[in-house]
Amino acid sequence: GAGVSQSPRYKVAKRGQDVALRCDPISGHVSLFWYQQALGQGPEFLTYFQNEAQLDKSGLPSDRFFAERPEGSVSTLKIQRTQQEDSAVYLCASSPGTVNTEAFFGQGTRLTVV
Amino acid sequence: DAKTTQPTSMDCAEGRAANLPCNHSTISGNEYVYWYRQIHSQGPQYIIHGLKNNETNEMASLIITEDRKSSTLILPHATLRDTAVYYCIVRVNKRGAGNTGKLIFGQGTTLQVKP
Repeated sequence: GAGVSQSPRYKVAKRGQDVALRCDPISGHVSLFWYQQALGQGPEFLTYFQNEAQLDKSGLPSDRFFAERPEGSVSTLKIQRTQQEDSAVYLCASSPGTVNTEAFFGQGTRLTVV
Repeated sequence: DAKTTQPTSMDCAEGRAANLPCNHSTISGNEYVYWYRQIHSQGPQYIIHGLKNNETNEMASLIITEDRKSSTLILPHATLRDTAVYYCIVRVNKRGAGNTGKLIFGQGTTLQVKP
């Protein structure tokens, strides 16, 4: 069965470079979340989509971070002008409904900015 | 900020029960207790959740105190594959203003199951 798929699994970017991280949620899932996980820390919420609508972007750390989900399925997290502090694992999760359903996580994309 | 407190680490012998505590003294009446775990290099995995009654599924049992200020996750027969970071999270489960169902993770408990 297909779970949440993220690509690439690993990304090395030079400081100042733009990156795009992709998330393929489970088919039909309404809710989609992005999280950032620094080494040794728990995941931190970045942003939330309900279908194509971005209802919460309170966790995005700066205006260099941008997420979209134009057709309510695949989502892309874009980071412009990457900095070393952006190095982390970026996790995507999807849920079949809103609020009261469990979230299914992908394996994440490990971003290293050098 | 996370609304839960968990021990940083715990050990458990293989085949024995692992009991992972969590304090959530400021929990609200409409907040559920969720448990997720994260095995190294993987995304978090849902385990179980509950409101006030004890819950059991194929993975674990969740015991919530009567005052709901603390809970315990029980893995009845721990195996080496249960070695992971376990996160206890409180979360509102009803749609409301500003509630997106996002999970607020703390540091979790690193459980090491030893042979």
